[in-house]
Amino acid sequence: NAGVTQTPKFQVLKTGQSMTLQCAQDMNHEYMSWYRQDPGMGLRLIHYSVGAGITDQGEVPNGYNVSRSTTEDFPLRLLSAAPSQTSVYFCASSYASSRSYNEQFFGPGTRLTVL
Amino acid sequence: DQQVKQNSPSLSVQEGRISILNCDYTNSMFDYFLWYKKYPAEGPTFLISISSIKDKNEDGRFTVFLNKSAKHLSLHIVPSQPGDSAVYFCAAKTGTASKLTFGTGTRLQVTL
Repeated sequence: NAGVTQTPKFQVLKTGQSMTLQCAQDMNHEYMSWYRQDPGMGLRLIHYSVGAGITDQGEVPNGYNVSRSTTEDFPLRLLSAAPSQTSVYFCASSYASSRSYNEQFFGPGTRLTVL
Repeated sequence: DQQVKQNSPSLSVQEGRISILNCDYTNSMFDYFLWYKKYPAEGPTFLISISSIKDKNEDGRFTVFLNKSAKHLSLHIVPSQPGDSAVYFCAAKTGTASKLTFGTGTRLQVTL
């Protein structure tokens, strides 16, 4: 199993550009989520999905869109990049909460810089 | 409003000694708690968890203690090793939801 994979590893954007961060998992997990990590702020939830076709907003959703057309993939789209979106982005997946445990597995992260 | 707080941004401990990382929470609906470890340039990895029906869970060198009345949990690492140097995140969830609320993290440095 590859686990949770993210591409690209690094990205530099100019203000106003758009891009998609890719996330895929091969563990047949129902739940997928996106976090951003900023110094002193910990991991903050951007968007999450409890299954294909179902998405919801997290703590910091503004400026980001998501979709979940398959169980495996959960891309994060930046519509018009801003310097405030400079961060490290992590995708995570887990079984749904109805299971006895739902440890989340994280991808290696995408380091994004917006100039 | 930070529902999960780790008030110590950093901690330095000598190799072989005990490391104690603390976490406080405000939401009384949280009933499952997890600790994650993160090395630089890697994603967080699950370390240990505890359900609110327990007050202690042990896994090798790692023990998590939960004090529900104080809304406080702690992670004990005994003995600490240089490879334990990392950022540790506390996280919490409610029983019916999959999403986790994370703390701000504590950077542990284990010195020789």
